[in-house]
Amino acid sequence: QQQVKQSPQSLIVQKGGISIINCAYENTAFDYFPWYQQFPGKGPALLIAIRPDVSEKKEGRFTISFNKSAKQFSLHIMDSQPGDSATYFCAASMAYYKLSFGAGTTVTVRA
Amino acid sequence: DGGITQSPKYLFRKEGQNVTLSCEQNLNHDAMYWYRQDPGQGLRLIYYSQIVNDFQKGDIAEGYSVSREKKESFPLTVTSAQKNPTAFYLCASSKRRGGTDTQYFGPGTRLTVL
Repeated sequence: QQQVKQSPQSLIVQKGGISIINCAYENTAFDYFPWYQQFPGKGPALLIAIRPDVSEKKEGRFTISFNKSAKQFSLHIMDSQPGDSATYFCAASMAYYKLSFGAGTTVTVRA
Repeated sequence: DGGITQSPKYLFRKEGQNVTLSCEQNLNHDAMYWYRQDPGQGLRLIYYSQIVNDFQKGDIAEGYSVSREKKESFPLTVTSAQKNPTAFYLCASSKRRGGTDTQYFGPGTRLTVL
């Protein structure tokens, strides 16, 4: 039973375009929503995270949008670059509880 | 990969054998985790440990065992009871217990059962 549903499974975007990945959750007790980036053969690394008291968080070209009422959050990668080609995982958790990960989205940026 | 090392990078096992995957961290983190990654399924939690000499089962603990005798080390044994062990195994750690602390991942071990 996956507590966080992620879509799409994969996407292809042209260099300079916008990549959008969506996640939905059911447990309203979740209060921490991180995104992890993973390159092939490597372990994931924290990219950006948000808590439900804000609706948007931006770090460089990466933005998280959060909709508490819809129980959805998304990652936007602006001006996508070939170096952004990776698998992205959304996750959710609450204090003193384990992280629940989405299934992942493989992003390919075409030069 | 921060201060987390996993060895070996690749591991081949014959059916019926137990194998142990190593995970060491020098981040002085209290909590450590083992995840299994399969294509299209994200990361699934096998075991986690919040302090030395204590650990809890995650979502898919059957066929696995762990120990936490030292703060720095959290080895995972894949036993012959694990029906489908071929996967990418990731170790992680966080400063404190709980999901809201950033988890730092190691580079992973790819296990293949021959």
